[in-house]
Amino acid sequence: GAVVSQHPSWVICKSGTSVKIECRSLDFQATTMFWYRQFPKQSLMLMATSNEGSKATYEQGVEKDKFLINHASLTLSTLTVTSAHPEDSSFYICSASEGGTGNTIYFGEGSWLTVV
Amino acid sequence: GQNIDQPTEMTATEGAIVQINCTYQTSGFNGLFWYQQHAGEAPTFLSYNVLDGLEEKGRFSSFLSRSKGYSYLLLKELQMKDSASYLCAVYNQGGKLIFGQGTELSVKP
Repeated sequence: GAVVSQHPSWVICKSGTSVKIECRSLDFQATTMFWYRQFPKQSLMLMATSNEGSKATYEQGVEKDKFLINHASLTLSTLTVTSAHPEDSSFYICSASEGGTGNTIYFGEGSWLTVV
Repeated sequence: GQNIDQPTEMTATEGAIVQINCTYQTSGFNGLFWYQQHAGEAPTFLSYNVLDGLEEKGRFSSFLSRSKGYSYLLLKELQMKDSASYLCAVYNQGGKLIFGQGTELSVKP
């Protein structure tokens, strides 16, 4: 079946540096992918919608200059956390839909980011 | 606005039945999902309802009433491994999946 893969699963970075997380749809093309953030004991919060070949659309309160999203191909979206701070430490997870219907939404494995 | 409400936590006994409720008010509706999530892992798909009624899948069932903006997830014959967070999510008109805050279920022996 369709699979969405994220990399890396775990990353530790120093404050002030940038880190990139990749989200790939392995056997289907995804014109749209979604990025979520989840803090401990909280639910998934939608950060942005990644659109292939165009700019991402961000949810209210999410800084677009801090969380750079690039969706350069139909199978790859990247999230770059720029100038990371300890409060950016979180679980980041992406999703993609095959065929655009609700019951074909697939999640990546998620990426744990720790900023020290 | 968009609002999805579910209880923060529930406790049940092994072998029992538990019902987790979810109410929603969203901008459009294209279906409702239930996911199971263990700490530190990605959500796992449990069910998808787009029409009113009950969908049964093994020990798990999900019900939807669109007119009432209401859904529930029913777990039967509870097992210890069912201890997890259960997330209600609505697929809205904009093609976005919006999550409730999740219900932390603890199954006790």
